[in-house]
Order: sequence, then C-alpha cells, then structure tokens
Amino acid sequence: DAKTTQPNSMESNEEEPVHLPCNHSTISGTDYIHWYRQLPSQGPEYVIHGLTSNVNNRMASLAIAEDRKSSTLILHRATLRDAAVYYCILPNAGGTSYGKLTFGQGTILTVHP
Amino acid sequence: DTAVSQTPKYLVTQMGNDKSIKCEQNLGHDTMYWYKQDSKKFLKIMFSYNNKELIINETVPNRFSPKSPDKAHLNLHINSLELGDSAVYFCASSQDLLGRNYEQYFGPGTRLTVT
Repeated sequence: DAKTTQPNSMESNEEEPVHLPCNHSTISGTDYIHWYRQLPSQGPEYVIHGLTSNVNNRMASLAIAEDRKSSTLILHRATLRDAAVYYCILPNAGGTSYGKLTFGQGTILTVHP
Repeated sequence: DTAVSQTPKYLVTQMGNDKSIKCEQNLGHDTMYWYKQDSKKFLKIMFSYNNKELIINETVPNRFSPKSPDKAHLNLHINSLELGDSAVYFCASSQDLLGRNYEQYFGPGTRLTVT
C-alpha cells in the first residue's frame, strides 16, 4: 500500500485559509489522491480527489506537487463546521484490495472562533 | 434523501448474542463496504462487495458474515458477540469497484456496545 504522512494536528482561526499537507513519497503513477474528513460523531465524508492536476470543488481545493510526492488540501475560509479529522488516502489500485481505503491517523483540525 | 443509511444507530447487547446491522444505499452504486472504527478511532476496512460478490475480506473473524441480498443492501451479521467487537461500524458505497477515481459515501455509523 502506498502510505501517506500527515501532521497530527493543526489549528486555524475562523474565516482564514487552511493548508493541510500530506506526503506520499511512494505514490505510483496510477494512484489517485483522496481526501476525506470525519466530523465528530459522524461517518467519514468525501472532500476531494485528484490524480495530477490541481482540483477545485465547492468544499475545497487540492494542490498536487509536480512530482506528486506531496499534496495540500486547501480550505479557503475555515468555519467552525470544518473542525474535523482530515485523512489523506491513496486507495488501493489492484490485487485483491480494489478500492480499499486505508485510513491513517489523519490531521485533527481545530478552528478557533 | 439519505444516500447511505444504517440501522440501528445504537446497539447494546450482551456477550454471546447474535446481532445484525443493516445498510442500504440509494445511489445506484455497485460496490459496498463495511468499516470498523475502534475506541482509538482507527478506521479499518472489513469487507467489500461488488454486485453482491465478496471482493475484500480483511482477515475478519468468521463470526462476522456480510450478506448482500441485492446491490443496494449489505448487511452485517455477527455471531457470538465478544467484548472486543464493541466499536462503531460504518457502511459505505462507491460507484466503481476500483474505487480510485470514485468517492466513497459513508453511512452515519452503528455504535455497537457489547456488555
């Protein structure tokens, strides 16, 4: 499995941008980069994913390094509702583990009013 | 409309009992999953099904038996419950088996407590 490394925790103030980093130095050419988050007492929630190009959606932006060995999830204006654990994941690409999401410890994001 | 639903939300039972957790998705997805989140908050996949066929079985004890009566449902039956089975169980679904280019949608979870 391609592994990811994230900081244990980060803090932000409300309405400020947040940049959540992820290192995935062993990524292969066909690995997609997915981000999920888990709000307190809820199931994981899909945020965004990409392969090579930067991606934007209504929730966030994903900036992927040119060598693809790292990526950054960008929340443009953090709200209190964005306080969650954020997971950077490379879904399994083959073998008998198609689609398997391996969740690490993630980054606990705290948003201050 | 809830995309992925699970019942019950809470389940408290005694050791040795048999219980089931139901999951339904109304997204028309082909692939469904069960994940377990233990007390340390680590999420780990247990099973995946594609078109009612078992694809992933992550060395889960055979007391756990998933059953998929149709593409929209994946139920989890647990026999002879043990204290260590206490956890939150999440169901999920995705459009594509490969799962790399498609997001997974998760249910709200079922908190199982074995006493």
